[in-house]
Amino acid sequence: IAGITQAPTSQILAAGRRMTLRCTQDMRHNAMYWYRQDLGLGLRLIHYSNTAGTTGKGEVPDGYSVSRANTDDFPLTLASAVPSQTSVYFCASSDDSGNSYNEQFFGPGTRLTVL
Amino acid sequence: GQNIDQPTEMTATEGAIVQINCTYQTSGFNGLFWYQQHAGEAPTFLSYNVLDGLEEKGRFSSFLSRSKGYSYLLLKELQMKDSASYLCAVWDSNYQLIWGAGTKLIIKP
Repeated sequence: IAGITQAPTSQILAAGRRMTLRCTQDMRHNAMYWYRQDLGLGLRLIHYSNTAGTTGKGEVPDGYSVSRANTDDFPLTLASAVPSQTSVYFCASSDDSGNSYNEQFFGPGTRLTVL
Repeated sequence: GQNIDQPTEMTATEGAIVQINCTYQTSGFNGLFWYQQHAGEAPTFLSYNVLDGLEEKGRFSSFLSRSKGYSYLLLKELQMKDSASYLCAVWDSNYQLIWGAGTKLIIKP
């Protein structure tokens, strides 16, 4: 693995189903993020984690949950998918340990369609 | 509320220069980022400005004026591979990134 990986690449899901999007990084970054990207809108932060064991809510957290059991993995779960959750989901990570700025590195994205 | 404005789309000619503007109104400011995103791909980091002035990196330069809430990304000697969306993002007082919707840059031969 080099950088950040996400799985699946794309998914079509029936409304009401539960879905977990996976994200793994091998850069030992302490901070991780989940964004959604919709046409005509900027990236919107769903949830974030500053370090393993802690998580926080972003701008659009409703309908989503996350966990951060270790440094490398940061899964995003949709408990009961709705069509408005159709989007491209990006996972990102950054190293917040004393650098002057923490550039975020992005995974390749998961394209999710909820019908 | 927090707001970042960028033009939706711009067109330029191969070999020319283009300037992409970004204005922002955020709760606090800890820096401004520019990212490049090719269609269907992930955003990748281009530049970071926290002090007023120009930062130059090869063909790309980024300018910041904190008093005006304004930044621009300048791309010189445009190449076809520069066709992409360019995202402006501001680090607010809580160190969360607030993103603009992006500017789609179309390069014509």
